Amino acid sequence: GENVEQHPSTLSVQEGDSAVIKCTYSDSASNYFPWYKQELGKGPQLIIDIRSNVGEKKDQRIAVTLNKTAKHFSLHITETQPEDSAVYFCAASLYNTDKLIFGTGTRLQVFP
Amino acid sequence: NAGVTQTPKFQVLKTGQSMTLQCAQDMNHEYMSWYRQDPGMGLRLIHYSVGAGITDQGEVPNGYNVSRSTTEDFPLRLLSAAPSQTSVYFCASREGQGNSPLHFGNGTRLTVT
Repeated sequence: GENVEQHPSTLSVQEGDSAVIKCTYSDSASNYFPWYKQELGKGPQLIIDIRSNVGEKKDQRIAVTLNKTAKHFSLHITETQPEDSAVYFCAASLYNTDKLIFGTGTRLQVFP
Repeated sequence: NAGVTQTPKFQVLKTGQSMTLQCAQDMNHEYMSWYRQDPGMGLRLIHYSVGAGITDQGEVPNGYNVSRSTTEDFPLRLLSAAPSQTSVYFCASREGQGNSPLHFGNGTRLTVT
């Protein structure tokens, strides 16, 4: 089955700097890679996703890149703000299957 | 729409007790699932359902039972709680295929002593 590794487990940045979180997956057949943000006391919420036929996707200050050959994908947050502080999870699944496998999470702290 | 509603928010059980974690969604989603969240382990899939009357096992199903008698509800049952089941439990639903966003509830924090 699929296994997703996520690094780092914690990340501290100054406001305005960029943050990068990296994930690797094991099943080369996986083709859907979402990222979720979890704020304190709440459930995770989807912030961006990418499919395997695309190498990069951007949404304002957030971007995700995918390297299928190396089986890794990354989340990039530019111009970080204190409200970006949260736990971020990557995930992977095979399209049209029902098992979304999550990474272990990254706690991002943005200091003003 | 309320989205995905989980009850209770907090629960303390003694070893061997049983309980049911409730999950309801009002979005008419066919797919529903249960995850547990533990420090350093991320979110792990317990059970999922692709529609009323259909359930299947996820990554960590042992010690948990589920049923899906209606589209709206997907309860998670612990028949004999163990300290290893101390965790935060999240219910999630989605519409359509596997590339649709999961909508999570706000979780149930369970402590088993």
